[in-house]
Amino acid sequence: GAVVSQHPSRVICKSGTSVKIECRSLDFQATTMFWYRQFPKKSLMLMATSNEGSKATYEQGVEKDKFLINHASLTLSTLTVTSAHPEDSSFYICSARDWRTGGTEAFFGQGTRLTVV
Amino acid sequence: AQRVTQPEKLLSVFKGAPVELKCNYSYSGSPELFWYVQYSRQRLQLLLRHISRESIKGFTADLNKGETSFHLKKPFAQEEDSAMYYCALSESNFGNEKLTFGTGTRLTIIP
Repeated sequence: GAVVSQHPSRVICKSGTSVKIECRSLDFQATTMFWYRQFPKKSLMLMATSNEGSKATYEQGVEKDKFLINHASLTLSTLTVTSAHPEDSSFYICSARDWRTGGTEAFFGQGTRLTVV
Repeated sequence: AQRVTQPEKLLSVFKGAPVELKCNYSYSGSPELFWYVQYSRQRLQLLLRHISRESIKGFTADLNKGETSFHLKKPFAQEEDSAMYYCALSESNFGNEKLTFGTGTRLTIIP
């Protein structure tokens, strides 16, 4: 199947700094990618839909200025957590659909564990 | 708004016994339903989708629109089935529709 890669897999940053997480579709192009956040023992919560060449669509309650999303190419979307605080510590996952195979299956990255200290 | 409910957070089953992971949804239209699985230290991956009506690794799931359910079943559990299972809903398969996930069920198969 298609491969989605996230980088880094783990990051620790100081409170007040910004962190960028990359999501790449390695063997297919994705005009749309999705960013999720997973809290401990809870489900994946969709944060935003990243659209190539246009603004991301954020879910209700997600701060646009806090979680900056850029989808500059058909294979790369980035999520920047700005002015990070300890409550932003979480597991962030991206996904994309490969439309070469009909697009019914979403492929997920391995996730990024963010710890803000 | 769509919603997916998985009532069991944890489920333990003996090897060889039948398995049923429950999933109920609420959505006013005709949704697409999926089961995703996450094995230990691996990424989330698709297990099966209702439109395919297929059996994957011995698992099946039938969409019951009357009961708004999409329970995952397997007649004989195997140790390698131990994993985290998520039921998910998509508004459609046309266009880049987002997935709404349930809270997940951790399945443990007892040898």
